[in-house]
Amino acid sequence: GQNIDQPTEMTATEGAIVQINCTYQTSGFNGLFWYQQHAGEAPTFLSYNVLDGLEEKGRFSSFLSRSKGYSYLLLKELQMKDSASYLCAPWGTSNSGYALNFGKGTSLLVTP
Amino acid sequence: KAGVTQTPRYLIKTRGQQVTLSCSPISGHRSVSWYQQTPGQGLQFLFEYFSETQRNKGNFPGRFSGRQFSNSRSEMNVSTLELGDSALYLCASQGRTNTGELFFGEGSRLTVL
Repeated sequence: GQNIDQPTEMTATEGAIVQINCTYQTSGFNGLFWYQQHAGEAPTFLSYNVLDGLEEKGRFSSFLSRSKGYSYLLLKELQMKDSASYLCAPWGTSNSGYALNFGKGTSLLVTP
Repeated sequence: KAGVTQTPRYLIKTRGQQVTLSCSPISGHRSVSWYQQTPGQGLQFLFEYFSETQRNKGNFPGRFSGRQFSNSRSEMNVSTLELGDSALYLCASQGRTNTGELFFGEGSRLTVL
């Protein structure tokens, strides 16, 4: 099975930087996903890490340490539209096919 | 290309009834998975279908079932509805190999009274 832990809520100021942490335990490991979900909308893909290290994509970066079972999502130059829930989803090898187990999500509120 | 389409978007049922939800994946995508989302439990995996076969199943009771048709469209059914089944049911399709990126539909919001 998988145990996924991420903070429930975070608040940050517009223009600032915020880091959302995720720790996980999986049976085997294929990679780790981050998804963004705005209230009332479907989750959308943000990033996918397979190897250790930092993956940068515009204002968003995602870091992975497989040995530590740890990942974080870094959001820079925060904008009001970044207020959303951020979901961590490690993909374990015990799951054949495309069955992702998601954390409960971190609700980020960006304030002016 | 068109995204993942789910119908109906909203529905209200009473306890004991059954419900069928439909999902049309992105054209060319053969994997369809279903998730239940509630405020308390977050996004939980129900099952995944690939080429009309159930490839994975989450930890849900047998009242939850699904199937996939030859055109990759999928349906899920919940029988003997309980109040706790009230949730947003999300369908996701996946089409590329060696990556698990899921494309989600807008979901079907089920309310059980």
